[in-house]
Amino acid sequence: QSALTQPPSASGSPGQSVTISCTGTSSDVGGYKYVSWYQQHPGKAPKLMIYEVNKRPSGVPDRFSGSKSGNTASLTVSGLQAEDEADYYCSSYVGSDNYVFGLGTRVTVL
Amino acid sequence: QVQLVQSGAEVKKPGASVKVSCKASGYTFTASAIHWVRQAPGQRLEWMGWVNTANGNTKYSWRFQGRVTFTRDTSASTAYMDLSSLSSEDTAVYYCAKEGFPGAGLDYWGQGILVTVSS
Repeated sequence: QSALTQPPSASGSPGQSVTISCTGTSSDVGGYKYVSWYQQHPGKAPKLMIYEVNKRPSGVPDRFSGSKSGNTASLTVSGLQAEDEADYYCSSYVGSDNYVFGLGTRVTVL
Repeated sequence: QVQLVQSGAEVKKPGASVKVSCKASGYTFTASAIHWVRQAPGQRLEWMGWVNTANGNTKYSWRFQGRVTFTRDTSASTAYMDLSSLSSEDTAVYYCAKEGFPGAGLDYWGQGILVTVSS
């Protein structure tokens, strides 16, 4: 199972929006609703931001939203803030109780 | 509050094994699976597998099949990850993480521990 494809970097100015893509296949992203997104600041453990494609855990700002079209999932961060600067990883169920992470995207707030 | 507390950093020689613990508190340990994820320095997250804390069933990523073993001690609310035949490529931060419910993502993570493999 190969890692899901994400752009290495994305950026935006404070207040703007940034969208990160996560591309897989019909055997993972396209085949299941179990896509999650994680935020990771340097030296810290990842934090769950989105699960089941578009659901937000309690405490995650509604500036973070998720969607999916075909084999590509997306995370959008609206109203960018300085604290949103971090690495973001997608993850998908791939069947047979297996999961896979994406390559990761570094988001920079300009 | 939910917490996953992992054991301390390890330094191992090539060919050795390492056993990492993950002690859970603040929730019913057997109600949620524990996943293991590692991250080599400067690299992406890599899923290693998971253990069903209720019955001990496991699933290992093919990348680690035959070299990793997940166990749990329900009386101590602790999960363990044992990785053998270590090489320098296994140098990484190892995380345990709790599954919210099946397929719902990993909602709480341990602090991660650095395992360094060096001769």
